[in-house]
Amino acid sequence: DGGITQSPKYLFRKEGQNVTLSCEQNLNHDAMYWYRQDPGQGLRLIYYSQIVNDFQKGDIAEGYSVSREKKESFPLTVTSAQKNPTAFYLCASSTGQGAVEKLFFGSGTQLSVL
Amino acid sequence: QKEVEQNSGPLSVPEGAIASLNCTYSDRGSQSFFWYRQYSGKSPELIMFIYSNGDKEDGRFTAQLNKASQYVSLLIRDSQPSDSATYLCAVCSNDYKLSFGAGTTVTVRA
Repeated sequence: DGGITQSPKYLFRKEGQNVTLSCEQNLNHDAMYWYRQDPGQGLRLIYYSQIVNDFQKGDIAEGYSVSREKKESFPLTVTSAQKNPTAFYLCASSTGQGAVEKLFFGSGTQLSVL
Repeated sequence: QKEVEQNSGPLSVPEGAIASLNCTYSDRGSQSFFWYRQYSGKSPELIMFIYSNGDKEDGRFTAQLNKASQYVSLLIRDSQPSDSATYLCAVCSNDYKLSFGAGTTVTVRA
């Protein structure tokens, strides 16, 4: 089945630790995105990539980093510089740039601070 | 940052009634509009999209768009308990990025 796989489902971060969230898609989509969702708030864009080896900052990129070495994969690293990382993280993909952006989402990763 | 505002919930409706959700947006150049449904602890799923002024119907869902008023709405007819979820309005602007509203939580009472 085609889709987006995020792992792990739950992740705990210690003080000063970097953690990496995995996102893999087999939809052959060009564009991939990372969103953060806090309780009672909408999704906020962290980073996005429209093509391999290229990515752009979204609205809240500080404290996060990404890479796009393969079309299928778009991992997100939450660095120690992100002082309030507790949130639900969603990876998404779409066919790419165009007038319509219909996103397909992964199942999400809940990140909490120990 | 482009603003997308949704009517604050929660919205409680009896089973079989119509649920009406509203969304306004600030970027007049926005091109396309989406409604996502999100069950608690799950990821959003796309239920409707609309590009042109007017109404678009899909089963029990109707999306309405008025670009002059910068307003998009979602009507859920014959509401069912399975419709209980948070509904997110999303707007795609000229830079091809989606901006999301905070969502409206709907509870359908049996």
